[in-house]
Order: sequence, then structure tokens, then C-alpha cells
Amino acid sequence: NAGVTQTPKFQVLKTGQSMTLQCAQDMNHNSMYWYRQDPGMGLRLIYYSASEGTTDKGEVPNGYNVSRLNKREFSLRLESAAPSQTSVYFCASSEDRSSYNSPLHFGNGTRLTVT
Amino acid sequence: AQSVSQHNHHVILSEAASLELGCNYSYGGTVNLFWYVQYPGQHLQLLLKYFSGDPLVKGIKGFEAEFIKSKFSFNLRKPSVQWSDTAEYFCAVVFGDGYALNFGKGTSLLVTP
Repeated sequence: NAGVTQTPKFQVLKTGQSMTLQCAQDMNHNSMYWYRQDPGMGLRLIYYSASEGTTDKGEVPNGYNVSRLNKREFSLRLESAAPSQTSVYFCASSEDRSSYNSPLHFGNGTRLTVT
Repeated sequence: AQSVSQHNHHVILSEAASLELGCNYSYGGTVNLFWYVQYPGQHLQLLLKYFSGDPLVKGIKGFEAEFIKSKFSFNLRKPSVQWSDTAEYFCAVVFGDGYALNFGKGTSLLVTP
């Protein structure tokens, strides 16, 4: 039982390049999330998917797109990377909406640098 | 606007000292409250959570937190810290029927031997 798996762990991009961050969970969770973590800013929600087939914007969605490919997988795409997107990206999942009975399970993160 | 505030950004303690990390939120309705911990190089892990009932909740590794509704606070405490508690601590809140966690900016704790 691997939990939440993110790939890649590290990535360096040049400004304007595109890439997709992959996330998969094996806990049969309905909800999945993408957060970014920046020094002094905590974690900020980029997008979330309440259930398979649905996605919604979070606090900082600009510059990103997501795809809930199936119940297991939730990918985050940067179409044209910018230095401001240098960050650590965390994928998370929960059985249902985040609540007492449905805490988040996090992946190990992807450290992205955009030069 | 709904928000989560953590007052201490960096805390340095000696081993065996007592710890209290502050967390306040801005919201007049019901909330789900959480503390997460992130050890160096690792992902976030749940320390403890509160939904209703006894406002004093106990979590893993000897941590506890008290929900004081009148103060909109959910402070994290530990009577005696260890070097292994060195980590970043995040308070997080779900506001009402909201879907996702809203995180504070985090508190970096360094415990010195």
C-alpha cells in the first residue's frame, strides 16, 4: 500500500517549457488535491477534484491545468512555466471532502525549479 | 475573509522545554481543525484533529491541542519537547461545508540538545 505517489521528485524547467506532474493514490479515495508550498507562505491549494470527473479551482489556479484521469490519478500541468512557479508541489487525497473523518494523505512532493 | 494565522514563524527551544504554538482563524461558523507536521525532507503528516466534543484533543507523539471557540484558537502544546520534534508545524482549517483544507503559513521549530 504505497499511499500517494508523485512523480517526478525533482524537475528543472526553462521559462516557457511545459510539463505534467503525476499523482496516483491507491487508497480508493474520492477526493484529490494539488497544493504548492513556498517559504513563508505555507501550503496553498491550486486545484482539487471532489470526485472522478470533477475539478475545481483553489486559491492559486492561474498558470495550471489539471486532469482527473480516473479515480486513482490526478495530474497537474504547467503549459508555459514561469519562475514564479518555482515551488514544492504536493498532491494529497482524502476519502471524501477534507474533514475530521477524512484527513488528507500527502505525497512526498515534487521540487520544481523554473529558470 | 476566511483565514488561518500562525503567530510564531520560527521557534527555538531546548530539549525538555514546553511548547505552545499559536493558531487562530477567522470564521464565524463551524470548523474542522487540524495540526500537521512536516519533518525535514518528508511530507506532511497528521498530528491531531478536532471536529466536535471535548475541546482538548490528544494526538500522536505526546502532542495535544485545545480549541477555544471564543478566541477562535486551536493552539498546539507539548509538555516536554525532544530533538526529534524539530520540524515545521502547520495549522489547517476546513471552514463550514468547504471542501479543502486552508493552511496557516507554518511554524518552524528547532529543538536544540
